[in-house]
Amino acid sequence: KAGVTQTPRYLIKTRGQQVTLSCSPISGHRSVSWYQQTPGQGLQFLFEYFSETQRNKGNFPGRFSGRQFSNSRSEMNVSTLELGDSALYLCASSPPQGEKLFFGSGTQLSVL
Amino acid sequence: AQKVTQAQTEISVVEKEDVTLDCVYETRDTTYYLFWYKQPPSGELVFLIRRNSFDEQNEISGRYSWNFQKSTSSFNFTITASQVVDSAVYFCALSEAGNQGGKLIFGQGTELSVKP
Repeated sequence: KAGVTQTPRYLIKTRGQQVTLSCSPISGHRSVSWYQQTPGQGLQFLFEYFSETQRNKGNFPGRFSGRQFSNSRSEMNVSTLELGDSALYLCASSPPQGEKLFFGSGTQLSVL
Repeated sequence: AQKVTQAQTEISVVEKEDVTLDCVYETRDTTYYLFWYKQPPSGELVFLIRRNSFDEQNEISGRYSWNFQKSTSSFNFTITASQVVDSAVYFCALSEAGNQGGKLIFGQGTELSVKP
């Protein structure tokens, strides 16, 4: 069974631009969560989607948004990028029982 | 408020030494879940264990063992006879029952370096 796939692996953007990250969950998983990882703040929860609906949201500004499609694939969008948005963005999916999260390898975003 | 504290930022040991990674958590819920994840240099977090708040039995899996003590709000992780391949960042995390699984509160992580 294929794991959680995130694309692209690396991304370089400049301040003010917007970016879209993609996540394909493990087959059969309907829940997708996004996390931001930085050296200073560590791993922080962004949001979770389940069956195309946002089920939970962390404390991030409205510039961070996401969506989920009917095939459970998810995208995360960050508009008006700031230098502080440079981070590793991790996506995770979980099975219907929700016992644990399976993580992808992440997208490393650098904002210049 | 929920919080997870991993006081040890970095630990360095020599191969075959035993090492314990500490985790202290805070939550007001009576039902919650505790996790340990391993993050190798590739970046992907690898699930190690999930424990619910009603199960205080210690668990052993090969060289790994976990000690859960509700009285001290701790969920410590011990690696016996460490190996170079154990070098990684280890995260302890908390999930409250009402979060339906997707939201974890992570500690800051402990970077373990095992030297040959």
